[in-house]
Amino acid sequence: GNSVTQMEGPVTLSEEAFLTINCTYTATGYPSLFWYVQYPGEGLQLLLKATKADDKGSNKGFEATYRKETTSFHLEKGSVQVSDSAVYFCALRGWGKFQFGAGTQVVVTP
Amino acid sequence: EAQVTQNPRYLITVTGKKLTVTCSQNMNHEYMSWYRQDPGLGLRQIYYSMNVEVTDKGDVPEGYKVSRKEKRNFPLILESPSPNQTSLYFCASSPDIYRQGINQPQHFGDGTRLSIL
Repeated sequence: GNSVTQMEGPVTLSEEAFLTINCTYTATGYPSLFWYVQYPGEGLQLLLKATKADDKGSNKGFEATYRKETTSFHLEKGSVQVSDSAVYFCALRGWGKFQFGAGTQVVVTP
Repeated sequence: EAQVTQNPRYLITVTGKKLTVTCSQNMNHEYMSWYRQDPGLGLRQIYYSMNVEVTDKGDVPEGYKVSRKEKRNFPLILESPSPNQTSLYFCASSPDIYRQGINQPQHFGDGTRLSIL
């Protein structure tokens, strides 16, 4: 079946540092790929998505490119802020089913 | 205000006592889904419903039931809860799977924390 693997956290960074969170997937067919963010005590919010190979999703300074050849969808941000501290989830959707990664906690310090 | 409402938010109960977690959305969304969140495992999908006519199992459906009698509601039923169902549960909805995106994301409820003793 489909699955998602993402790097373990926590990832601790200083403000304005570069952030990368690795995500790889296993899937049959052509899934859509997502990054979600969860702030403490809240539900998940969609951060960005890509629906086909080489698509780049972007939002709020975050980017991720759908790489079919490496089955990856790494999340990047060039300059993080303290407000980016949260848990980030990589996910894929095949038809109506979603699979999520285990989540990566990101802590940004001033 | 567009929202997904889950009730209860917190519940402590005992093994074997049937319970229902309600989920209601006011956005006329076709797609609804239930997830459980456990430390180190991320979110795992329990059931999803493409529309009122189509409901299917996610990755962890054992011990759960759902129904979609009307578009806005999608209750999660635990007929005989067990301690391994202690978890944080989220309901979510979206217009339909093909239009999920930044402008029409999957909306999540605030979560229901279940403790089964």
